[in-house]
Amino acid sequence: EVQLVESGGGLVQPGRSLRLSCVASGFTFDDYAMHWVRQAPGRGLEWVSGISWDSANIAYGDFVRGRFTISRDNAKNSLYLQMNSLRAEDTALYYCAKVNVLEPGTLDYWGQGTLVTVSS
Amino acid sequence: DIQMTQSPSSLSASVGDRVTITCRASQSISRNLNWYQQRPGKAPKLLIYAASSLQSGVPSRFSGGGSGTDFTLTITSLQPEDFATYSCQQSHNKPYTFGQGTKLEIK
Repeated sequence: EVQLVESGGGLVQPGRSLRLSCVASGFTFDDYAMHWVRQAPGRGLEWVSGISWDSANIAYGDFVRGRFTISRDNAKNSLYLQMNSLRAEDTALYYCAKVNVLEPGTLDYWGQGTLVTVSS
Repeated sequence: DIQMTQSPSSLSASVGDRVTITCRASQSISRNLNWYQQRPGKAPKLLIYAASSLQSGVPSRFSGGGSGTDFTLTITSLQPEDFATYSCQQSHNKPYTFGQGTKLEIK
C-alpha cells in the first residue's frame, strides 16, 4: 500500500524558515518523480514544486521566487521542501504527492498534508 | 502560465442525479488534464487522468471527456459519498495549475 507521510509543519514567524519532510513507503521511491502541492485555508489546490527521480529536473511555481528548495534522498525514501523567507500568504496545508508512471504530472497518491502557519 | 477555469463553482444535486462539471484551459493542453475529488478534511484523490482514463478503483459512474481547451467530468447516478469538491489540473506544462474547484452539495 502506498503511503506518504508529511511532517515538519507548524507555526512560524514571517521571514523565518521551515523544512518539510515526506516519507514514502509501499512503492519503489527512486522510480518516481515527486511533487509538493499546497492548499490555503478555504482555497483551491496550488502546485508548489516537483523533482524528478534522480533530482536532475526540478521546477517551482512562480510564487516561490527562489525562496523554496525541493530535494530528495532516495536512500531514505524521503522528499523535502526547504522554505525560507516565509510570508503570511504561504500559510497552507502542504501535501506531497507521487506521480503516475505513465502520465508525468498526474498525481496518483497524496499524503494527508502538514499544516504551515506563518504569523507573528 | 496556463489558467484553468472551472464551472460552476458550486452545484446542488440529489442522489441519483447526473451532473457535469466543466474545465477550460487558457491554451491548448491536448489531453493532459486530470480530475481530483476532495472530501472535507481529506487529501485529494485522483479520479480521471489523461482527460478520460479512469484511475484504478474509481467507480465507472465517473467519466471524463474533452481535448484541447475544453473538458468535462460527468458523474452519473450520484451517490452520497460523491458530495465533495472536484478540481481539474493541467499536466501539459509546468507550472502545473489547478482549477479553483467545484463544490458539489446535496440538494
